[in-house]
Amino acid sequence: SQTIHQWPATLVQPVGSPLSLECTVEGTSNPNLYWYRQAAGRGLQLLFYSVGIGQISSEVPQNLSASRPQDRQFILSSKKLLLSDSGFYLCAWSPRGNTIYFGEGSWLTVV
Amino acid sequence: EDKVVQSPLSLVVHEGDTVTLNCSYEVTNFRSLLWYKQEKKAPTFLFMLTSSGIEKKSGRLSSILDKKELFSILNITATQTGDSAIYLCAVAKTSYDKVIFGPGTSLSVIP
Repeated sequence: SQTIHQWPATLVQPVGSPLSLECTVEGTSNPNLYWYRQAAGRGLQLLFYSVGIGQISSEVPQNLSASRPQDRQFILSSKKLLLSDSGFYLCAWSPRGNTIYFGEGSWLTVV
Repeated sequence: EDKVVQSPLSLVVHEGDTVTLNCSYEVTNFRSLLWYKQEKKAPTFLFMLTSSGIEKKSGRLSSILDKKELFSILNITATQTGDSAIYLCAVAKTSYDKVIFGPGTSLSVIP
């Protein structure tokens, strides 16, 4: 069966520091991959999605970036965090044209 | 611009009540509509709807899609405190398999 893992689960980072959140999917190949962010008490904002290795689509201009170095690996990065980057980050995967499934999420607090 | 709207944004009911949550959308290249339940962490999948007029049912939860009027409803009968959560509606597009979420409805069920 397919599983998705995302880490770290929580982190507290100072303003201006870098960020790296990692996500891997097991038990499938060539999935669509997604990064979402959820501010407190709000819906999910799509940040990036990828339909293949090296193919990244960005939905919102920001100081975040994403990379897909391997088929089942998706990384969210920032060179310099802002206070407004705080939130709950969710990685998700989808078989082509089907339901999406979420990782456990990462709570980021920028101080 | 693609848009998914949910109403109400928050709702407080008593145990045993029946609730109806609404989701409307304006999205090009519609593929399917998805409902998720989010408690403390990652959203969990409830339903995927692709055809109009066909009700999906799981226990006390049911959902239906109207592709002509571009909306869906999620019904919960005989609510329980364990139904307290944020309910998220999302639309999956055929183009690049992009999935867009609404803001969510926060449901609180009080004893």
